[in-house]
Amino acid sequence: NFMLTQPHSVSESPGRTVSISCTRSSGDIAGNSVQWYQLRPGRAPTTIIFDDNQRPSGVPDRFSGSLDTSSNSASLTISGLMAEDEADYFCQSSDRNIYVIFGGGTKLTVL
Amino acid sequence: QVTLREAGPALVKPTQTLTLTCSFSGFSLLTNGLSVTWIRRPPGKALEWLARIDWDDDKYYNSSLKTRLAVSKDTSKNQVVLSLTNVDPGDTATYFCARLRRGPTGYNYFDFWGPGTLVTVSS
Repeated sequence: NFMLTQPHSVSESPGRTVSISCTRSSGDIAGNSVQWYQLRPGRAPTTIIFDDNQRPSGVPDRFSGSLDTSSNSASLTISGLMAEDEADYFCQSSDRNIYVIFGGGTKLTVL
Repeated sequence: QVTLREAGPALVKPTQTLTLTCSFSGFSLLTNGLSVTWIRRPPGKALEWLARIDWDDDKYYNSSLKTRLAVSKDTSKNQVVLSLTNVDPGDTATYFCARLRRGPTGYNYFDFWGPGTLVTVSS
């Protein structure tokens, strides 16, 4: 199985843009879709990106996902940061579309 | 409206079996392409996928926990049950259930999650 590596933490000021990376250790990042989930204390996790760059209905377009095959990584970008975006973010992919692999998670602090 | 909710004991003693129930509404687990999955998050750590049960009763497990896990469904009650045997303090975590569906590109993703239930393993 491969691993997904994320930065432990990122921080940025309200209104600014922040990106969180998710690097795949082996195999092609495009070999299976990448998803991103938001976890806030006391709330059910929320899916904010699926299929690399698709937003479920209800997720603001301030959130976007992309792949960079040159670095074998995926990225979540949040623009126009708001205080409510402060949360833990996890990337996720799968082995053979069955065995789920999560990144280590990134804590986003909105300064 | 799809909802899921986990239920189970808040405290379990080491060596006991943990049994969790995921009750869901807004969909049927007889629907082609749908699955329910269990995921946990130990305090301050990453998410860890545990198990999955498909609409056709196929089951898949995390290889490192496979010998201790069992998942089943009761479609008449709209419930999925997870059991984890021989627990130890390392199994202390918030346990989530989530619906898994196939996206437009054919890859699976979690689209709805329960709020989670915290389970502490301690004597």
